[in-house]
Amino acid sequence: EDKVVQSPLSLVVHEGDTVTLNCSYEVTNFRSLLWYKQEKKAPTFLFMLTSSGIEKKSGRLSSILDKKELFSILNITATQTGDSAIYLCAVPSQGGSEKLVFGKGTKLTVNP
Amino acid sequence: GAVVSQHPSRVICKSGTSVKIECRSLDFQATTMFWYRQFPKQSLMLMATSNEGSKATYEQGVEKDKFLINHASLTLSTLTVTSAHPEDSSFYICSARGTRARAASYEQYFGPGTRLTVT
Repeated sequence: EDKVVQSPLSLVVHEGDTVTLNCSYEVTNFRSLLWYKQEKKAPTFLFMLTSSGIEKKSGRLSSILDKKELFSILNITATQTGDSAIYLCAVPSQGGSEKLVFGKGTKLTVNP
Repeated sequence: GAVVSQHPSRVICKSGTSVKIECRSLDFQATTMFWYRQFPKQSLMLMATSNEGSKATYEQGVEKDKFLINHASLTLSTLTVTSAHPEDSSFYICSARGTRARAASYEQYFGPGTRLTVT
């Protein structure tokens, strides 16, 4: 069964800190890994990773994939209170529907 | 681009009644739509996958007669919770995956969600 495990489940930091969120996965026929940010409503897309070692970057957020060790990390530098959210990692499951299997998420709280 | 809307955003209904939730892709054609449910402090749980013009595929443990899904067009899917009970109270989120010309193959665009409360 395809599985995604995120750690830590919860993280509290101060503004300006740098955080690293982890996502490990087990999936048959890996194709990609996706990161989402969920605030009070539905998730918003951050990154899609398909190749090992290539960093994707968007402002203070960056992410990288290691297909050999089956994990990905999401880094946020110089955190702001607006970064407070649940960060979800997902992989497409096997089969034709291409449904996503989500991890439980990391709840990040950035305090002023 | 790639905007998905849901309606209503919040609904309160009485036990035993039915509630319909709409999911629309506003600026792209969604060949596949997904319906998720999220309980407090838990992750998204996929309920069903809906392909335009065909029957939905339900995940194990999800009652297809209780959660009716209709994907009648490339821009609209509906989820009807029939004979709702308080335990059906949850946050329901849809997502849409576009045709390969408009969106990355495995990228899903989420609607804003519908908070259902059954009293």
